[in-house]
Amino acid sequence: SAVISQKPSRDICQRGTSLTIQCQVDSQVTMMFWYRQQPGQSLTLIATANQGSEATYESGFVIDKFPISRPNLTFSTLTVSNMSPEDSSIYLCSVGNRGSRNTEAFFGQGTRLTVV
Amino acid sequence: AQSVTQLGSHVSVSEGALVLLRCNYSSSVPPYLFWYVQYPNQGLQLLLKYTSAATLVKGINGFEAEFKKSETSFHLTKPSAHMSDAAEYFCAVSDPENTGFQKLVFGTGTRLLVSP
Repeated sequence: SAVISQKPSRDICQRGTSLTIQCQVDSQVTMMFWYRQQPGQSLTLIATANQGSEATYESGFVIDKFPISRPNLTFSTLTVSNMSPEDSSIYLCSVGNRGSRNTEAFFGQGTRLTVV
Repeated sequence: AQSVTQLGSHVSVSEGALVLLRCNYSSSVPPYLFWYVQYPNQGLQLLLKYTSAATLVKGINGFEAEFKKSETSFHLTKPSAHMSDAAEYFCAVSDPENTGFQKLVFGTGTRLLVSP
């Protein structure tokens, strides 16, 4: 298994500002993902963080709003840009490894964001 | 495209009663299926997974699930509910051949309420 540390665990931000969320893993992983969980709803995949290249975004999510970095195999950041109250959500980092023996994803504790 | 349907946003049981949380999936390829639990203000924890081996899967905390291809279902059960089982439960599906094990599509979640 992998131990994932997300920072910050929670934040309250003013609209129009940006917040960068960090995801640190205790071991090298192949796959890193960012999910959003809006209040009372399920998890939606934002993007796959690719090491050394641009992230792959899901439909409805764009790089200008959610820029992602992944400089190495243990670290990634997600920035929520020009925030509005609709961005209030829990943002979760998820990791995993390729290969037939690695069949599950591990999740961080999440970052609870409130935009006021 | 894959999808997951969880019937019932809330399920209430008495302590000691059977727990049954329903999950149906849609997938054009043999899926991998997962159940995750989320306790208040925490991240997601894997309960169990189906990865094309045994159709009856046993997980942690006394939970189990049965993969039924003919019914496209993966319902979660526990013979006797404990107060500590009160949480949000998410069913998820992945496409291991194309997008990998760890890129997940989640259901909308079911909140389990356990009364004394």
